[in-house]
Amino acid sequence: AQKVTQAQTEISVVEKEDVTLDCVYETRDTTYYLFWYKQPPSGELVFLIRRNSFDEQNEISGRYSWNFQKSTSSFNFTITASQVVDSAVYFCALSEAGNYGQNFVFGPGTRLSVLP
Amino acid sequence: DTGVSQDPRHKITKRGQNVTFRCDPISEHNRLYWYRQTLGQGPEFLTYFQNEAQLEKSRLLSDRFSAERPKGSFSTLEIQRTEQGDSAMYLCASSPGRTGEKLFFGSGTQLSVL
Repeated sequence: AQKVTQAQTEISVVEKEDVTLDCVYETRDTTYYLFWYKQPPSGELVFLIRRNSFDEQNEISGRYSWNFQKSTSSFNFTITASQVVDSAVYFCALSEAGNYGQNFVFGPGTRLSVLP
Repeated sequence: DTGVSQDPRHKITKRGQNVTFRCDPISEHNRLYWYRQTLGQGPEFLTYFQNEAQLEKSRLLSDRFSAERPKGSFSTLEIQRTEQGDSAMYLCASSPGRTGEKLFFGSGTQLSVL
């Protein structure tokens, strides 16, 4: 069965610090997709990135970067030079292509607080 | 692209009452999902539609819960005889239906059962 673990429940950093959010996943499928979503206080989940299992290239988008390592089943997310607006709950999610219905499994989330 | 909309945003009800939530997905999206999220937890899958067909239901979806998507457009989620344990955020999401596509989420309906 698919599973996503986010071991860090809450993280607090001071503005401009770098912070890494960990995500470890479990799946038996060889084809799957990994996602990160941000949930600000308003409540709506905002898509950040999608990565398929065949693409292990790391990705950078502005202050955000993602490190996908199949060998350790991890898909970590780093925010460089954090800002107060980054304060939110961040969810890692897994979707198995072979799973009929393609239901996503979300991790429990990491609450990030960026202090001014 | 008007996004996924959910109605109402908040619902307060007394235990034992029935409630119904509505979700309007992005118009060209075939797939529609319902999730439940409780405080401090990630969204938990409830059910999924491809067009008007309900193709999967989680074991979390007890007999008191029913979902419909008539004509493959909007969807409703009804909870009968609500219990205090039903208090949660109910999230709707849609996707175009291609494998690996991201989900687009609505703002959710916050249910409080007193």
